[in-house]
Amino acid sequence: GAVVSQHPSRVICKSGTSVKIECRSLDFQATTMFWYRQFPKQSLMLMATSNEGSKATYEQGVEKDKFLINHASLTLSTLTVTSAHPEDSSFYICSARGAGGFPYEQYFGPGTRLTVT
Amino acid sequence: LAKTTQPISMDSYEGQEVNITCSHNNIATNDYITWYQQFPSQGPRFIIQGYKTKVTNEVASLFIPADRKSSTLSLPRVSLSDTAVYYCLVGDDYKLSFGAGTTVTVRA
Repeated sequence: GAVVSQHPSRVICKSGTSVKIECRSLDFQATTMFWYRQFPKQSLMLMATSNEGSKATYEQGVEKDKFLINHASLTLSTLTVTSAHPEDSSFYICSARGAGGFPYEQYFGPGTRLTVT
Repeated sequence: LAKTTQPISMDSYEGQEVNITCSHNNIATNDYITWYQQFPSQGPRFIIQGYKTKVTNEVASLFIPADRKSSTLSLPRVSLSDTAVYYCLVGDDYKLSFGAGTTVTVRA
């Protein structure tokens, strides 16, 4: 149980285009989902928190107009990287908070490798 | 969120026990201590969580002294597949703050 999927697993896009990444909780309802970014050899950095049916809360320094997050249902959150540039190339990981499990436990997706050329 | 300090890297051999200590001097009363494991190009995976004393599950043990200012993750009899980055997180919130983690390399 508590499986989170991401699609696509890898994406290559040209500079200036937009890319959408989907995060799904497969066997549970996720009231809250989180989006992280991880550069090579670095730790995960929280980008934003999304709650179903409401606007996402972005961490300081994260451009909300560039990284559009939509949490339209209890099982799906999407991250759209708009007008992507090479510096946006990174590993994007989502996680979901479940209703049970350990306190503050999160279930992470497998990640999406974005390469902007 | 409490700041955590853990070693950058540790080397071990197959079959040995690996102990990773995390310091969290300003841990708050309501904070839990949670460890995650991350393999390259994968999302982190929850390993174990504790509040005080000792917690054991099928993959690891977590030792927490009475003052809770540190904790030790113990991985018994590691194998090559345990090579990963291990993160110690302390808090009482769903917003997780990942530090640099400890890269554990297991050699044959």
